[in-house]
Amino acid sequence: AQTVTQSQPEMSVQEAETVTLSCTYDTSENNYYLFWYKQPPSRQMILVIRQEAYKQQNATENRFSVNFQKAAKSFSLKISDSQLGDTAMYFCAFMKPLAGSNFGNEKLTFGTGTRLTIIP
Amino acid sequence: NAGVTQTPKFQVLKTGQSMTLQCAQDMNHEYMSWYRQDPGMGLRLIHYSVGAGITDQGEVPNGYNVSRSTTEDFPLRLLSAAPSQTSVYFCASSSRSGWDGYTFGSGTRLTVV
Repeated sequence: AQTVTQSQPEMSVQEAETVTLSCTYDTSENNYYLFWYKQPPSRQMILVIRQEAYKQQNATENRFSVNFQKAAKSFSLKISDSQLGDTAMYFCAFMKPLAGSNFGNEKLTFGTGTRLTIIP
Repeated sequence: NAGVTQTPKFQVLKTGQSMTLQCAQDMNHEYMSWYRQDPGMGLRLIHYSVGAGITDQGEVPNGYNVSRSTTEDFPLRLLSAAPSQTSVYFCASSSRSGWDGYTFGSGTRLTVV
């Protein structure tokens, strides 16, 4: 079974600074998907960024980027120019596709989350 | 707006009572799942379904029941509520590949007293 570890239960950073959230995972699979989800105080789960293990290039979405180290099984999230609206719980998640992307996927496995607070 | 609709948003139950959490999606997603979120434990999978008529257990299935008679609906039943089932419950759906990630409902905060 796959496991996902987020070793930073809480973090805080000044507005406009850069912050990196760490995530490691354990799997014997070669191809898989990794995700970061954001959960603001509204409780809604919002997809932030995704990465396919086959792709070496790190994913980027505006101020959000990842550092994907496949050999180290590490998938950290970097938030640049942090904003007050970035205050939220952040969850790292792992998914294994089955026999190619059109054949289904296995469950989404989550880490325990990092509570990020942006300080004005 | 397209998405996943969960009802109710809040619920208080007495120990031993039963209830059904409703979940519906209008994106024609084949995959639907129920997760529970507890402090310090992330989201844990309760039950999931890969299509109408097909369900399977996740990580923490005890005390819960599901069925999937249509593509759109995936209700979660608590058979006899216990205080240990106090949690926030999320329904989620995804396409077959999962590459677009899961779309989540807004959650149900359940308290069992």
